[in-house]
Amino acid sequence: DAGVIQSPRHEVTEMGQEVTLRCKPISGHNSLFWYRQTMMRGLELLIYFNNNVPIDDSGMPEDRFSAKMPNASFSTLKIQPSEPRDSAVYFCASRLGVSGETQYFGPGTRLLVL
Amino acid sequence: TQLLKQSPQFLSIQEGENLTVYCNSSSVFSSLQWYRQEPGEGPVLLVTVVTGGEVKKLKRLTFQFGDARKDSSLHITAAQTGDTGLYLCAGVGAGKSTFGDGTTLTVKP
Repeated sequence: DAGVIQSPRHEVTEMGQEVTLRCKPISGHNSLFWYRQTMMRGLELLIYFNNNVPIDDSGMPEDRFSAKMPNASFSTLKIQPSEPRDSAVYFCASRLGVSGETQYFGPGTRLLVL
Repeated sequence: TQLLKQSPQFLSIQEGENLTVYCNSSSVFSSLQWYRQEPGEGPVLLVTVVTGGEVKKLKRLTFQFGDARKDSSLHITAAQTGDTGLYLCAGVGAGKSTFGDGTTLTVKP
């Protein structure tokens, strides 16, 4: 299995631009998570989906952030407009099950907003 | 507010030494997980502990879940350079994981 696939791996953009991060979960997994990791705040859950439905988006910082999961094999996290404070590593993870089962993380997207 | 506090935040030791990392919370979790993350990669699950007082061993790593299911510890015996990385605990509840602030371990040869 290829594992969780994220693209791009690195993104450098200017403040105000739209950024779209992509994730392909492991085939057959029914839960998908988006996290953000920074030195200051650690690894934070932004949103998670179960069977393509958003279950908890309480970690989404503000209206500039949106996430979609149009089908079981694809999800996007969009930031519009981007700001320098959005610079972080964004991870996608998937899981088979609904609770304490193993989450498998992708390699992350390193975002730098200038 | 950090729900899960890890200590120490940074640890630098010589190969062969023993160490213990702590994960403390005021909240009760249905289970607790430990992950290791290497630079440029995502976290990888090491273990899940479910029962209060549970002890699990994974080669040189020993994980313990507190009786009240609020805290946990990770003990590494005879550390090796390959143990270097960021160690994260995560409390599981309501279908999601809440991560601790992490312990960065450096094992020097």
